[in-house]
Amino acid sequence: DAKTTQPNSMESNEEEPVHLPCNHSTISGTDYIHWYRQLPSQGPEYVIHGLTSNVNNRMASLAIAEDRKSSTLILHRATLRDAAVYYCILRDVNDMRFGAGTRLTVKP
Amino acid sequence: NAGVTQTPKFRILKIGQSMTLQCAQDMNHNYMYWYRQDPGMGLKLIYYSVGAGITDKGEVPNGYNVSRSTTEDFPLRLELAAPSQTSVYFCASSHQWGQGGEPQHFGDGTRLSIL
Repeated sequence: DAKTTQPNSMESNEEEPVHLPCNHSTISGTDYIHWYRQLPSQGPEYVIHGLTSNVNNRMASLAIAEDRKSSTLILHRATLRDAAVYYCILRDVNDMRFGAGTRLTVKP
Repeated sequence: NAGVTQTPKFRILKIGQSMTLQCAQDMNHNYMYWYRQDPGMGLKLIYYSVGAGITDKGEVPNGYNVSRSTTEDFPLRLELAAPSQTSVYFCASSHQWGQGGEPQHFGDGTRLSIL
C-alpha cells in the first residue's frame, strides 16, 4: 500500500557520495516527500523533507524531479554510521505510510 | 530534552495476557502516534492522537486501544495478547500533521513477544 518505490538494497564505499532513488508516480499536489532512516535496533530518524524545491540540510540533500514523480536522497560523503534502512515516504494530511525502504551498506 | 521515551524496552507476554506500552514526550507536541514494525517490514500506523482527549484509528488498529489524557502521554493497551501482535512498537510525536511538512520524532521502541 506504500505509494513509493525504492530499491531493496544499495552499496556504497566510505567517503563517496550516495544517491538513493525513490519513485512516486502517483504523488498528489499536497504530498510532502519525507525521508527517514532507521539504524539497527533504533527508531526511525528524520532526515529531510521537501515539497517542490530541492532541499539541503546538515545531514543530506533532497533532489526533487520537476514533475515530482521521483526524488533522490543524496548523502555527500557516506560514513559507516550511515549504514541503515532509508525510507522515502509521501505525507499528506492524515497519512504517512512506510514501505520496505532501501538497505544501505557502506563498505570501508 | 529526553524526546520520546518508551517503556518497557522488552517484554514477553503469554497469550491472553494484557499490558500497556507507555509513551511520553517532553517536546510539547500536539500529535502522537503508535506504529508497529514486523521483521523486515516498514512501520504501520496503529493509532494516532491530535491532542489530549482526541484519538483516531490508523491502518492496523484491531486488538489495541489508546487514550490521551495529557499532552505528554499516549499509552497503548493490548487487552488480549495474540501471537500476531509480536512486533516492535514505536511511538512518535510531532508538532502538527495537517500541513504534511512536520517531521515525526520517534522513540527507541518496545520489543514485544507473545508466546
